Amino acid sequence: DGGITQSPKYLFRKEGQNVTLSCEQNLNHDAMYWYRQDPGQGLRLIYYSQIVNDFQKGDIAEGYSVSREKKESFPLTVTSAQKNPTAFYLCASSINRLVTEAFFGQGTRLTVV
Amino acid sequence: EDKVVQSPLSLVVHEGDTVTLNCSYEVTNFRSLLWYKQEKKAPTFLFMLTSSGIEKKSGRLSSILDKKELFSILNITATQTGDSAVYLCAVTNTGNQFYFGTGTSLTVIP
Repeated sequence: DGGITQSPKYLFRKEGQNVTLSCEQNLNHDAMYWYRQDPGQGLRLIYYSQIVNDFQKGDIAEGYSVSREKKESFPLTVTSAQKNPTAFYLCASSINRLVTEAFFGQGTRLTVV
Repeated sequence: EDKVVQSPLSLVVHEGDTVTLNCSYEVTNFRSLLWYKQEKKAPTFLFMLTSSGIEKKSGRLSSILDKKELFSILNITATQTGDSAVYLCAVTNTGNQFYFGTGTSLTVIP
């Protein structure tokens, strides 16, 4: 089945630790995105990548880092510099920059304890 | 600043009612407007609109875009409890960036 897979579903982290969220897609999509969703704030863009080995900061990139070494993978690292990391994280992909429908993964809920 | 505003923020209706959800936007270099339904986890795609005045329809759901007034509406007729969800509106620009609204939370009571 084609789709986007995020793992893990739930993640707990101690303050001061870095943690990496996985996002894999087998849709052969060029573009991939990471969003953060908080109650009452909708989806906010953290990072996006239009092509392998290239990515750009979104609106709230501080405290996060990404890599795009392979087309199918776009992992997000939440670093200890992120002041309020507890949130629901969604990964999405779209075919390329010319086609704008985005498909979403099931999300990862990160809780910092 | 590019932004997407949805209204109302939340809505409670009875089964069988018709609802209209609103999405207005100010996005430079507009490309398309998309509607998503989010129940518990991942948003699922409903419609993509690029042209003004052309209604898109899928069952009891329909949507239309007005590019002059910069808004879109999503209509749901004969609502069912399964329609309860958060409905997200997103606007993309020619750089393929997505701007999301905060969503409208719809609750349909039996």
